[in-house]
Amino acid sequence: GEDVEQSLFLSVREGDSSVINCTYTDSSSTYLYWYKQEPGAGLQLLTYIFSNMDMKQDQRLTVLLNKKDKHLSLRIADTQTGDSAIYFCAESSNAGNMLTFGGGTRLMVKP
Amino acid sequence: DTEVTQTPKHLVMGMTNKKSLKCEQHMGHRAMYWYKQKAKKPPELMFVYSYEKLSINESVPSRFSPECPNSSLLNLHLHALQPEDSALYLCASSQGVGGSYEQYFGPGTRLTVT
Repeated sequence: GEDVEQSLFLSVREGDSSVINCTYTDSSSTYLYWYKQEPGAGLQLLTYIFSNMDMKQDQRLTVLLNKKDKHLSLRIADTQTGDSAIYFCAESSNAGNMLTFGGGTRLMVKP
Repeated sequence: DTEVTQTPKHLVMGMTNKKSLKCEQHMGHRAMYWYKQKAKKPPELMFVYSYEKLSINESVPSRFSPECPNSSLLNLHLHALQPEDSALYLCASSQGVGGSYEQYFGPGTRLTVT
């Protein structure tokens, strides 16, 4: 079955860049998503990338996809304290609408 | 507007109670979802409705009963729950069914079963 892995925790200083990594096993993964969840809140869709793309940039966010290694990363430039949250990567294939989530990475931003 | 709303925000219920969670979206989305999320875990899919018909039930116990009265509304009826059912219940919607349609989540209902 599909498996999506993320490191549990990342701590950075305000103003630095954050890089959150994700690996997946399903070679048919076509759509890869990044969601942000603040404490006590729902999931906010941040960005997504299709498997035919290598990179996508959206303001402070840069998504890199290495399809060969099945590795996805989310880079947040100029990280702010408001970026402190749990970040989930998720994948789905053309075959169905079910998202497979990683375990989430807790990002802590220190002032 | 990418808003999905959920009510109530918090719910405390006893094991013999009957209650309902509500979810609403006005984005014209035709697929709606219920997820359950335990603390420090990713969301787990419970049900998927597509065009107001139940298309996926992830072997959820019958004490959870979903209902889709129309394309904008999704309910989750709760009866005879157990304390281990305490969790954050998230609703989501997407334009269609299939991996290419991104899902938008509501803020969730924090459920505590006593």
